[in-house]
Amino acid sequence: GQNIDQPTEMTATEGAIVQINCTYQTSGFNGLFWYQQHAGEAPTFLSYNVLDGLEEKGRFSSFLSRSKGYSYLLLKELQMKDSASYLCASMDSNYQLIWGAGTKLIIKP
Amino acid sequence: GAVVSQHPSRVICKSGTSVKIECRSLDFQATTMFWYRQFPKKSLMLMATSNEGSKATYEQGVEKDKFLINHASLTLSTLTVTSAHPEDSSFYICSARDLGGNEQFFGPGTRLTVL
Repeated sequence: GQNIDQPTEMTATEGAIVQINCTYQTSGFNGLFWYQQHAGEAPTFLSYNVLDGLEEKGRFSSFLSRSKGYSYLLLKELQMKDSASYLCASMDSNYQLIWGAGTKLIIKP
Repeated sequence: GAVVSQHPSRVICKSGTSVKIECRSLDFQATTMFWYRQFPKKSLMLMATSNEGSKATYEQGVEKDKFLINHASLTLSTLTVTSAHPEDSSFYICSARDLGGNEQFFGPGTRLTVL
């Protein structure tokens, strides 16, 4: 079956670095997405990886290893506004997004 | 960037009534639109996928007669929750994808409360 695993909740300190891991098993693979979702709001796009390696975009970076079915989202210089849920989603062979349950990130001062 | 709007953002209705939610792509043609439902502290649950001009494909367990989807144009899809009940109260989110694209652009969501 299709499955996306990511931690339920993580806590980090303002100014620090945090890595949110995601493992996926989908029927076919057309890329791995990370979205940020603040409470009560719709998800917003953060990153898309389809090839192995690290994609850096400002304070956020995303890594993909297709052979391991593994991705991570790296957040640097954490700010209080980064407190949100981070959703990992794998696009399967039908171009459907298979969603993880999300990782709630709590930032402490 | 691509913008998707949803209307209304919030709706409260009585049990037994029907509610229509609109999803519009404002600056691109959305050949495919997706409707999601999200319960508190849960992940997004795909309800259905619709392609312009054809019938929607519903996910297992989603009643097509209860959740009517119309994707009549390349910029508009509607979801009608018919005979709504309190258990239908949820956050409904649409997303849109243009031809040849992989990224889904999300609308801001509609919070439905059925009394």
